[in-house]
Amino acid sequence: SQTIHQWPATLVQPVGSPLSLECTVEGTSNPNLYWYRQAAGRGLQLLFYSVGIGQISSEVPQNLSASRPQDRQFILSSKKLLLSDSGFYLCAGTVSTGQNTGELFFGEGSRLTVL
Amino acid sequence: AQSVAQPEDQVNVAEGNPLTVKCTYSVSGNPYLFWYVQYPNRGLQFLLKYITGDNLVKGSYGFEAEFNKSQTSFHLKKPSALVSDSALYFCAVRDDNAGNMLTFGGGTRLMVKP
Repeated sequence: SQTIHQWPATLVQPVGSPLSLECTVEGTSNPNLYWYRQAAGRGLQLLFYSVGIGQISSEVPQNLSASRPQDRQFILSSKKLLLSDSGFYLCAGTVSTGQNTGELFFGEGSRLTVL
Repeated sequence: AQSVAQPEDQVNVAEGNPLTVKCTYSVSGNPYLFWYVQYPNRGLQFLLKYITGDNLVKGSYGFEAEFNKSQTSFHLKKPSALVSDSALYFCAVRDDNAGNMLTFGGGTRLMVKP
């Protein structure tokens, strides 16, 4: 089965510090990968998606960046965190069913608190 | 363009009663429709999907959803709610005629009271 591992699960960082959240995928190859942010237990905001190694599309301009150094690795980074970067970050990948339905499977999330 | 709406921020239901969480969508082609559930501080879990075929789709934990093309709806239902069903529910759509990304609704919080 396809699974996503995210770490760290929780992170408390001071304003202005760097960030690195990592997502790795098991059980599939060449998935599309996504980073979402969820504020206050509500809706999902798509931040970045990647269709392959080194290919990143940004949906929202911000001080975050993403990289995909390997097929099954997707990293969310920041050089200097802002208070507004606090939230719950979810990594997701496309389910490989051969139908290209767009169905996603999600990691367990990383909760970031910026103080 | 594809879009999905969940008109209720919160749904309250008593344990043992039937529940409905509403979802409507807009696509130019044929829709692929999904429901996900999220428990506190967890990722989204897949509940069920409609791709083609029977309009009534059965999923995990006793949930089902009915695809209604004329009303462009895909409401989530369960005959008898459990307190443990309390969670945040997301509807999502993908237009088979446009791209390959899902669009998510804003989420509906389901509160089941004993």
